[in-house]
Amino acid sequence: SQQGEEDPQALSIQEGENATMNCSYKTSINNLQWYRQNSGRGLVHLILIRSNEREKHSGRLRVTLDTSKKSSSLLITASRAADTASYFCATEYLNAGGTSYGKLTFGQGTILTVHP
Amino acid sequence: SQTIHQWPATLVQPVGSPLSLECTVEGTSNPNLYWYRQAAGRGLQLLFYSVGIGQISSEVPQNLSASRPQDRQFILSSKKLLLSDSGFYLCAWRNGGRGGYTFGSGTRLTVV
Repeated sequence: SQQGEEDPQALSIQEGENATMNCSYKTSINNLQWYRQNSGRGLVHLILIRSNEREKHSGRLRVTLDTSKKSSSLLITASRAADTASYFCATEYLNAGGTSYGKLTFGQGTILTVHP
Repeated sequence: SQTIHQWPATLVQPVGSPLSLECTVEGTSNPNLYWYRQAAGRGLQLLFYSVGIGQISSEVPQNLSASRPQDRQFILSSKKLLLSDSGFYLCAWRNGGRGGYTFGSGTRLTVV
């Protein structure tokens, strides 16, 4: 299976602390994306990092990508109670012909709880 | 601006009944469209994707089918629902296969 794995499965922290979530995948990718899902809702795209990039920032989010280790991490700095949600990594992998049609493979997610 | 509409939000259907979930996109043309299913507490599984009108690709064999009768309309169907079809169904689009997805708000289907 191409599906990635995320750890931890659940993370509980206090407001103001940093939260780090990790994602591993199995095959060559075009890009890796992180999404957020509030309970019972659709997913919201957070950030995309391409296979030739190593680090990307967006506000309080920092994403790293290590293609040699086939892994990525999402860091949320100075967390807030409103950051409580599930976070998913998704990889756009390339088939043997080098195409993807934009298909994403999602990890199982990390449930983040930020206590006020 | 681009928006995606998905309905209904919640659906309870008996086993053996038909299903039709609709997804429409506004503010863009020729989007790539996707149907995903999410089991409780799990990641998303890609069911179908479409790169154009009438073009449907299935990712997993199952009791469901999809159609794209118009450029910005994507429909998920079943002739006879199974208990195992229960789940959270999400429609998504992507403009030209680049950038992140935009997801609909989802339909929670419970088959009883």
